[in-house]
Amino acid sequence: DVKVTQSSRYLVKRTGEKVFLECVQDMDHENMFWYRQDPGLGLRLIYFSYDVKMKEKGDIPEGYSVSREKKERFSLILESASTNQTSMYLCASRTPGGRRGSYEQYFGPGTRLTVT
Amino acid sequence: AQSVTQLDSQVPVFEEAPVELRCNYSSSVSVYLFWYVQYPNQGLQLLLKYLSGSTLVKGINGFEAEFNKSQTSFHLRKPSVHISDTAEYFCAVTRPVGYNKLIFGAGTRLAVHP
Repeated sequence: DVKVTQSSRYLVKRTGEKVFLECVQDMDHENMFWYRQDPGLGLRLIYFSYDVKMKEKGDIPEGYSVSREKKERFSLILESASTNQTSMYLCASRTPGGRRGSYEQYFGPGTRLTVT
Repeated sequence: AQSVTQLDSQVPVFEEAPVELRCNYSSSVSVYLFWYVQYPNQGLQLLLKYLSGSTLVKGINGFEAEFNKSQTSFHLRKPSVHISDTAEYFCAVTRPVGYNKLIFGAGTRLAVHP
């Protein structure tokens, strides 16, 4: 079974703090994703990475950065946390695409971040 | 660009009744379609997917969905729901080419009552 783990289930930080959210997958997937989930908005893509040290902005990258130094680990960084970044953050990794791919994304349990 | 509309934000239903969760998508190119389920305080889990072939797709936990290209819909159904099906359900779409970003709908909260 694919396992995607996230470093914290719940996190409380103060405005202006630097926040690191860690995600690790054990299936050697090349593609990894960070989403935020807000009621009524579904999941919105923040950043994704298709290989080590490679990253692409998603739909809402402002206020976030990412790091992918190893294939299994994808980190989301909030340089200076703000209250409007209070949300549920979900990490995912994905099976290959292409002709034999299944395109399935596997999700971690999520980190509920509260910024006060 | 693709987009997904889940037509109901909440669906209340009694146990053992049938349920349909509606999903419409828009895209100028062919797409792959997915339904994910999120139980309380958990991440998302894949229920089923349509990539090609038969338009009726069967998934886990007795769910199925039908891809209707002419109506651009991918509705999720279950003939008899259980209390344990109470969860949030997300429809998602992606293109078969490129980096394959998943575009999610806003979600439908299914509440099964005894």
